[in-house]
Amino acid sequence: AQRVTQPEKLLSVFKGAPVELKCNYSYSGSPELFWYVQYSRQRLQLLLRHISRESIKGFTADLNKGETSFHLKKPFAQEEDSAMYYCALRAGGGADGLTFGKGTHLIIQP
Amino acid sequence: DGGITQSPKYLFRKEGQNVTLSCEQNLNHDAMYWYRQDPGQGLRLIYYSQIVNDFQKGDIAEGYSVSREKKESFPLTVTSAQKNPTAFYLCASSRGPSYTFGSGTRLTVV
Repeated sequence: AQRVTQPEKLLSVFKGAPVELKCNYSYSGSPELFWYVQYSRQRLQLLLRHISRESIKGFTADLNKGETSFHLKKPFAQEEDSAMYYCALRAGGGADGLTFGKGTHLIIQP
Repeated sequence: DGGITQSPKYLFRKEGQNVTLSCEQNLNHDAMYWYRQDPGQGLRLIYYSQIVNDFQKGDIAEGYSVSREKKESFPLTVTSAQKNPTAFYLCASSRGPSYTFGSGTRLTVV
């Protein structure tokens, strides 16, 4: 069975500092990895997918199959980045939904 | 305006009672899911359905039941057998890798 691990429950950084939210996964096949974000009082929404290789709101994430990691990075944090971030994995066609990590609460201090 | 609607937003239940949470989508998505979100636990899959009249247990199905009589609807019943039902429940639907989440129902057992 697949598993997603986010080792940090809480991450606090100052505005303008770099941010890295860690995500490691275990899955025997070829996974699709996602980052979802949940801002206060809002719905869970997709931030980015590894397949897209895009940058959204200044965030990027690279899939490292050797280290089975998909860390989320942003060079300069902004206060509006404060939110809960979830790493998720979609396995083999995705028939059984997404597997989520436990989430990291990111707090950007002014 | 397409999306997922969960109702009610807040629900209170007495111990020993069954309660049904509603989830409706007009996105024409085939797949629907129920997740439970607890602080520090992330999102855990309760049940999912890939097509009408078919559904599968997720990781924490005990004490829950679902039905999928229509493509648009995937109601979740929290039964009295669920030992710790107080939680935030999220419904989602998907087509391929694209997932849409509802705004959630907070269930409190009193």
